[in-house]
Amino acid sequence: KQEVTQIPAALSVPEGENLVLNCSFTDSAIYNLQWFRQDPGKGLTSLLLIQSSQREQTSGRLNASLDKSSGRSTLYIAASQPGDSATYLCAPAFTGNQFYFGTGTSLTVIP
Amino acid sequence: GAGVSQSPRYKVAKRGQDVALRCDPISGHVSLFWYQQALGQGPEFLTYFQNEAQLDKSGLPSDRFFAERPEGSVSTLKIQRTQQEDSAVYLCASSLASGAYGYTFGSGTRLTVV
Repeated sequence: KQEVTQIPAALSVPEGENLVLNCSFTDSAIYNLQWFRQDPGKGLTSLLLIQSSQREQTSGRLNASLDKSSGRSTLYIAASQPGDSATYLCAPAFTGNQFYFGTGTSLTVIP
Repeated sequence: GAGVSQSPRYKVAKRGQDVALRCDPISGHVSLFWYQQALGQGPEFLTYFQNEAQLDKSGLPSDRFFAERPEGSVSTLKIQRTQQEDSAVYLCASSLASGAYGYTFGSGTRLTVV
C-alpha cells in the first residue's frame, strides 16, 4: 500500500491570506495526482488533476504543483476566502487503476 | 446522468443485517471504484471495475463484502452480517477511462451499524 502524507493536518488562517498545503507520497512512479475538497458530510469535489508529464495546473485561485522525483505535490490557494473552508485531500495514482488518499488537511478561513 | 448518484444517502442497519448500497456512475464511464471512509480519515480503496469486470478487489476487508457490476453500468456493494466496524461513508467514483481524465465521486452513503 502506498503511503500518502498531508501536512499540516489542520490549518486556520485569516481571510485574504495565501496558503500552501503539502502532500508527499512514497513512490515516484506516479501516473497522475488529483486534489479534492470535501465539505462536512459531503462527497469529494475534484479541484485539479495533474498528469505525470506536467509540473503544475492552475484553476482560478488554485495552483497545484507536482515534483515526481521528490514525491511531493503542493496546493497553493491565493487570497483565501471563508468559502474555502473544507478538508483538502490529495490522491496520487500509481497504476491508473487505483489511487490513494492522504488523511487530508482541514482548512478554516476566518472572516 | 450528470453526476455519480449513490443511494441510499443514509442507512442505519442493525448488527447482523445485510445491506446493499447502489452506485449509478456517469453514463459512458468505463471505470468504477468503491472507497470506504471512516470518520476523520481519508478514503480507503475497496474495489475497482472496468466495465463489468472486477479487476481489483484487494481492498475488501473481509468476505462479508461483495461488489458487482453485472451490465457494466450500475454497481452494488453488498455487506453481509454487518458489524459496528463497518460504520463508515461508502463512496463511489467513476472515470471515463483508466483514470487519465480523473475521477468523479458521488455524495456517498453513510452507513451506521447499531
